[in-house]
Amino acid sequence: GQNIDQPTEMTATEGAIVQINCTYQTSGFNGLFWYQQHAGEAPTFLSYNVLDGLEEKGRFSSFLSRSKGYSYLLLKELQMKDSASYLCAGMDSNYQLIWGAGTKLIIKP
Amino acid sequence: IAGITQAPTSQILAAGRRMTLRCTQDMRHNAMYWYRQDLGLGLRLIHYSNTAGTTGKGEVPDGYSVSRANTDDFPLTLASAVPSQTSVYFCASSDPAANSNEQFFGPGTRLTVL
Repeated sequence: GQNIDQPTEMTATEGAIVQINCTYQTSGFNGLFWYQQHAGEAPTFLSYNVLDGLEEKGRFSSFLSRSKGYSYLLLKELQMKDSASYLCAGMDSNYQLIWGAGTKLIIKP
Repeated sequence: IAGITQAPTSQILAAGRRMTLRCTQDMRHNAMYWYRQDLGLGLRLIHYSNTAGTTGKGEVPDGYSVSRANTDDFPLTLASAVPSQTSVYFCASSDPAANSNEQFFGPGTRLTVL
């Protein structure tokens, strides 16, 4: 079967670093996505990894290990506006996205 | 229009009624999708369309139908709404030719079926 696992909730402090992990099982693999979703809003794209390694984009970085079926999203210099849900999604052989339930990130001052 | 629009923003519907959720994009994307999002669950694909004139079933298609008469519009119809269809519905689109395969989402429709 296809499955995406990520923690339900995490708490971090403003200015700190947080790592959100995701493990995936998909039928075939065409990449791993991270999206951000603020409460009551639509998901917005953060990153896409198809090859192993780290992709850095400003304060956000995403890592992929295809052999381990594992990814993480790293958020640095946390700001209050980073309080949101972070959705991990794997793209299967049919180019369909399989979504995790999301990790709610709470930032405390 | 910029991006994807959805209508209505929210709707309360009596069980058994027919309802069409509208989705329009102006990015000329070939692929479009309908998802539902429920608390504690990931986004679940209802139906998709890879190009105008074609549609396919996703993970949870029962009770829903779609059409894709042109590139821009992708309406979702609930023929006879039931309370279990209470959810937030997101329409999305993507350009399969783009390297990133990124999906762009509309603002969502919050539907309550009583």
